[in-house]
Amino acid sequence: AQSVAQPEDQVNVAEGNPLTVKCTYSVSGNPYLFWYVQYPNRGLQFLLKYITGDNLVKGSYGFEAEFNKSQTSFHLKKPSALVSDSALYFCAVRDPDSNYQLIWGAGTKLIIKP
Amino acid sequence: GAVVSQHPSRVICKSGTSVKIECRSLDFQATTMFWYRQFPKQSLMLMATSNEGSKATYEQGVEKDKFLINHASLTLSTLTVTSAHPEDSSFYICSARDHEVSVSPLHFGNGTRLTVT
Repeated sequence: AQSVAQPEDQVNVAEGNPLTVKCTYSVSGNPYLFWYVQYPNRGLQFLLKYITGDNLVKGSYGFEAEFNKSQTSFHLKKPSALVSDSALYFCAVRDPDSNYQLIWGAGTKLIIKP
Repeated sequence: GAVVSQHPSRVICKSGTSVKIECRSLDFQATTMFWYRQFPKQSLMLMATSNEGSKATYEQGVEKDKFLINHASLTLSTLTVTSAHPEDSSFYICSARDHEVSVSPLHFGNGTRLTVT
């Protein structure tokens, strides 16, 4: 069965430090992977996606993610965290059996402390 | 960039009344829109897939007669919560994909906070 796991409910990082939000997936075939961010009482905003090609994908707001096929991971990273990065982050994979639907991770709350 | 407009952002209604939520793609055409429900501190729960010009596809456990979905044009889908009850109080979010973009990401509305009293 297709699935996405975000093993951490919450990640705490000091401002200026690098951050990583973890995501692993299980899907048949080649995965299409996405990261979204949600600020309080708002919808989700697209950050970046991996379809094919370079394993390091760069996205909005200075975020990037690395696709690792052997570890079936797609961790979100940023070299230097900002307080304004504090939000809820979702990893998702497109379900190859259900056209355009996304399978969502449970979300990880990222807290950046000044 | 692609923008999805969702209205209203907040609505408070009495038990037994119906509430309509609109979701519009402003600068792209969306043959498919998705309606999600999100509980506090929880992930997104897909309720239904809205297809332009045809009946919506509901996820298991979602009552289609309670959550009426209409997708009459390529830029508008509506969700009507009929005979609302307090347990329907939640955050509802719509999303759409640009069907002209290969592997388009989903573009989300800002959500609707529904409170049923």
